[in-house]
Amino acid sequence: AQSVTQLGSHVSVSEGALVLLRCNYSSSVPPYLFWYVQYPNQGLQLLLKYTSAATLVKGINGFEAEFKKSETSFHLTKPSAHMSDAAEYFCAVGMFSGGYNKLIFGAGTRLAVHP
Amino acid sequence: EAGVAQSPRYKIIEKRQSVAFWCNPISGHATLYWYQQILGQGPKLLIQFQNNGVVDDSQLPKDRFSAERLKGVDSTLKIQPAKLEDSAVYLCASSLDWKQGRAFFGQGTRLTVV
Repeated sequence: AQSVTQLGSHVSVSEGALVLLRCNYSSSVPPYLFWYVQYPNQGLQLLLKYTSAATLVKGINGFEAEFKKSETSFHLTKPSAHMSDAAEYFCAVGMFSGGYNKLIFGAGTRLAVHP
Repeated sequence: EAGVAQSPRYKIIEKRQSVAFWCNPISGHATLYWYQQILGQGPKLLIQFQNNGVVDDSQLPKDRFSAERLKGVDSTLKIQPAKLEDSAVYLCASSLDWKQGRAFFGQGTRLTVV
């Protein structure tokens, strides 16, 4: 069965510090991997996606993620946190299975950024 | 490009009442998803349509939830009767195909059952 695990439901960093949000997946077929961000009272916005091209993926707002097949991981990083990065972040795995596309989400990680 | 439209944005109902949500996906997107997002949790897929056919409704509580996608475009999700535990944000999303590699989400409908 396909699944997504996000380690740490809450992460707190200082402004200017490194952001690291962890995501591990399980999939029996080559996956597509996504990170979405959700600001309060808003819908999900795509940060970045991995679709079997380069393993290091750059997204919006300075975020990037690296696909590591050996570790089945797709961790999200940002070198320097900004106050505006405070939001909920969701890792998702997409795959073509059983004749159709599926998109499965992790439980999310809430990022807090303090001065 | 117009995004995924959902209405209403907010709804408060009493338990045992019925409610319906509407979604208009991006034009041309064959796949439409309804997700339920309970506070503090990740989105959970309720039902997925490919054009106007259901391809996955394994997590849809079929005794109270129903959904349809007429003519492969707009979709409605209905709850009847609602329970307190149905309080959540209901997200609609659509996608073209995996070559595009992403799903587009609406802003969601926040349902409160009291």
